[in-house]
Amino acid sequence: AQSVTQPDIHITVSEGASLELRCNYSYGATPYLFWYVQSPGQGLQLLLKYFSGDTLVQGIKGFEAEFKRSQSSFNLRKPSVHWSDAAEYFCAVGAPGDTDKLIFGTGTRLQVFP
Amino acid sequence: DTGVSQDPRHKITKRGQNVTFRCDPISEHNRLYWYRQTLGQGPEFLTYFQNEAQLEKSRLLSDRFSAERPKGSFSTLEIQRTEQGDSAMYLCASSRANSYEQYFGPGTRLTVT
Repeated sequence: AQSVTQPDIHITVSEGASLELRCNYSYGATPYLFWYVQSPGQGLQLLLKYFSGDTLVQGIKGFEAEFKRSQSSFNLRKPSVHWSDAAEYFCAVGAPGDTDKLIFGTGTRLQVFP
Repeated sequence: DTGVSQDPRHKITKRGQNVTFRCDPISEHNRLYWYRQTLGQGPEFLTYFQNEAQLEKSRLLSDRFSAERPKGSFSTLEIQRTEQGDSAMYLCASSRANSYEQYFGPGTRLTVT
């Protein structure tokens, strides 16, 4: 069965610092991988996705993520965090050829200090 | 592109009452999903429609839950005889066939007292 692990429940960084949010997945083949962001009381916004090809993918708001098959990881990064990036971040996996339902991790809450 | 909309945004109900939520997907999207998100957790898949056909239901969807998508446009999710454990955010998402990118609505927050 597919699963997603986000080991960090809560991360605090200073504005301008770099950021890396961890995501590990369990799936028999190469899944489709996604990062979503959720602001308080809001729905989810797609930041970026990986389907195949180049393992470094660029997303919106200056985020990028790198797929590492050997580590079953899809970590999200940003070189310089802005206060507006404070939110909950969810990694998700989808199985190609399935109903395309997404399996989400439990999320990482990002807090940004000025 | 008006995005996915959900109505109502908030619903407070007493235990035992029935509630119904509505989701309007992006107009050209033929796939529609319902998820449930409880506090401190990621969204969990409930059910999926392709056009008007409900193709998959999670085991999370007890007999008290029913979803419809008449004519393959908007969808409704009904919960009968609500329980306190039903309190959650109910999220709707839609996508084009074979795009695998799901776009989420703002959610309906249900509180059962």
